[in-house]
Amino acid sequence: KAGVTQTPRYLIKTRGQQVTLSCSPISGHRSVSWYQQTPGQGLQFLFEYFSETQRNKGNFPGRFSGRQFSNSRSEMNVSTLELGDSALYLCASSLDGTSTGELFFGEGSRLTVL
Amino acid sequence: GENVEQHPSTLSVQEGDSAVIKCTYSDSASNYFPWYKQELGKGPQLIIDIRSNVGEKKDQRIAVTLNKTAKHFSLHITETQPEDSAVYFCAARKTSYDKVIFGPGTSLSVIP
Repeated sequence: KAGVTQTPRYLIKTRGQQVTLSCSPISGHRSVSWYQQTPGQGLQFLFEYFSETQRNKGNFPGRFSGRQFSNSRSEMNVSTLELGDSALYLCASSLDGTSTGELFFGEGSRLTVL
Repeated sequence: GENVEQHPSTLSVQEGDSAVIKCTYSDSASNYFPWYKQELGKGPQLIIDIRSNVGEKKDQRIAVTLNKTAKHFSLHITETQPEDSAVYFCAARKTSYDKVIFGPGTSLSVIP
């Protein structure tokens, strides 16, 4: 069974630009969560999508947005990039958000903002 | 909202020694506490979890304890090996439909 796939793995942008990151969950998983990882800050929750609906949201500004498609694939977008947005963005899928709710993480998309 | 604290931020132990990582959570409604291990260049992976109706859980060299009254839980790794070197995250969640909130992480180094 294929794991969680995130693309692109690395990208460099400049301030003011926007970026779109993609996440393909494990087949059959309906929940996709996004986290921002920075040194010293750990994993900061961005949002979670379940069956194409945003079910949970973290405390990030509106520049951060996401969506989920009918095949459970998810994208997140960051507009008007700032230097502080440089981070590893991790996507995690889970079966249906119930039961144990174990999160299966991808390897992340490392964003550098210059 | 839920807040999870974790200590220490870094931990170095000799191979064969034990390692203990401690976490506290703020929301008494949290009832599920997973631990994730992140190796260099990879995403975090679940290594053990515990629910609020259980005080302790063990899986080979790894054990987790939970004190609901004090709102803290701990990860214990015995007979540490070099491959245990990684960043460990504790986390908490309320209901099955809630977000999982992670602690800031502990970087564990096992010295051969």
